Amino acid sequence: ETGVTQTPRHLVMGMTNKKSLKCEQHLGHNAMYWYKQSAKKPLELMFVYNFKEQTENNSVPSRFSPECPNSSHLFLHLHTLQPEDSALYLCASSQDRNSNQPQHFGDGTRLSIL
Amino acid sequence: QQQVKQSPQSLIVQKGGISIINCAYENTAFDYFPWYQQFPGKGPALLIAIRPDVSEKKEGRFTISFNKSAKQFSLHIMDSQPGDSATYFCAASPYGAGNMLTFGGGTRLMVKP
Repeated sequence: ETGVTQTPRHLVMGMTNKKSLKCEQHLGHNAMYWYKQSAKKPLELMFVYNFKEQTENNSVPSRFSPECPNSSHLFLHLHTLQPEDSALYLCASSQDRNSNQPQHFGDGTRLSIL
Repeated sequence: QQQVKQSPQSLIVQKGGISIINCAYENTAFDYFPWYQQFPGKGPALLIAIRPDVSEKKEGRFTISFNKSAKQFSLHIMDSQPGDSATYFCAASPYGAGNMLTFGGGTRLMVKP
């Protein structure tokens, strides 16, 4: 039990599909993050939510749309993705974005774009 | 400059040996330096972290060495074990934004029995 649960674990979709990734944390944290992990790039921060407010959008294309309805849940809505978007998408949470309290990661959603 | 450069990309060590992974940064605003460990199929997990007010921090077999003037820090794994085989990421974040992490590219460690 990592405390951060991501679903689905694997997702295959076509370029014209619309799908959503879900993240849920049971740690009482106030900050949640989306990262992209590609094979040949460093872990890339995509979005940050702190107390349900989006505080960072790291120049992410609009085909990725995050949603944070409450401090425990984070979604990443996907539409008209490109093949280069195939990657592992990781969700993380922490006490808040500014502290040095560690981030807790989920096990990711492996996304493949056909 | 937000980049954190990590080396080597891959490392093979014999059981009982010392594994050393190095990272370098440019941004002098960085003041928190964690290391994360990731096993296949799992998300990264915090292993050990250091602030620049100390030059070394040790937790069990894992030690971080920090050289502020050179803007470099390294992870040493003593008595490396096959169970340590994983990918290791260094990271850094600026003062007051402890979780705005910039990650290095990762090092895939294999410890041979």
